[in-house]
Amino acid sequence: AQRVTQPEKLLSVFKGAPVELKCNYSYSGSPELFWYVQYSRQRLQLLLRHISRESIKGFTADLNKGETSFHLKKPFAQEEDSAMYYCALNGGATNKLIFGTGTLLAVQP
Amino acid sequence: EAGVAQSPRYKIIEKRQSVAFWCNPISGHATLYWYQQILGQGPKLLIQFQNNGVVDDSQLPKDRFSAERLKGVDSTLKIQPAKLEDSAVYLCASSKLNRARGATYEQYFGPGTRLTVT
Repeated sequence: AQRVTQPEKLLSVFKGAPVELKCNYSYSGSPELFWYVQYSRQRLQLLLRHISRESIKGFTADLNKGETSFHLKKPFAQEEDSAMYYCALNGGATNKLIFGTGTLLAVQP
Repeated sequence: EAGVAQSPRYKIIEKRQSVAFWCNPISGHATLYWYQQILGQGPKLLIQFQNNGVVDDSQLPKDRFSAERLKGVDSTLKIQPAKLEDSAVYLCASSKLNRARGATYEQYFGPGTRLTVT
């Protein structure tokens, strides 16, 4: 079955600390993975996708097929990074997204 | 460019009543999605349109939910009759026409409609 798992509902860190938001997936085939972010009172928006292999707002995510993971990382957290983060998987032929349950990142000053 | 528009933003109804949500996608976006997001969960796809045809409605509770996208632009999602478990945020998203897997276009989300069924 196609599934995305985000084990942490809440991750609280201090400003300047490293951040790692975990995401594991289940998919038979070559996966296409994304991270979406929702800042307070804003819309859900794309943060990054694995095929781009780029850093957005200091965040990176590497697809590890052996561990079926796509963890989101940032070396130094900023207060403006506080938001809800969703990992999502392209579900197949229709390109629908399958979302995880999300992780709330709270960066303390 | 203008983003995805949705209305209403909030709706409170009693169970067994009906409700309708409206979505206007970004101009030129061929693909339109309706997601249901229950509190504490991620968005779940209900139905996906490509132009005015349905691509995926496998998770749409068809006994009570219906959706249409006339003329391949605006879309409406209806619930009739509503149940308590339908309380959720209903998100509309749109994207350009995806032609190949592995090169999917970004989905742009609307602000959502928060439905409370009492």
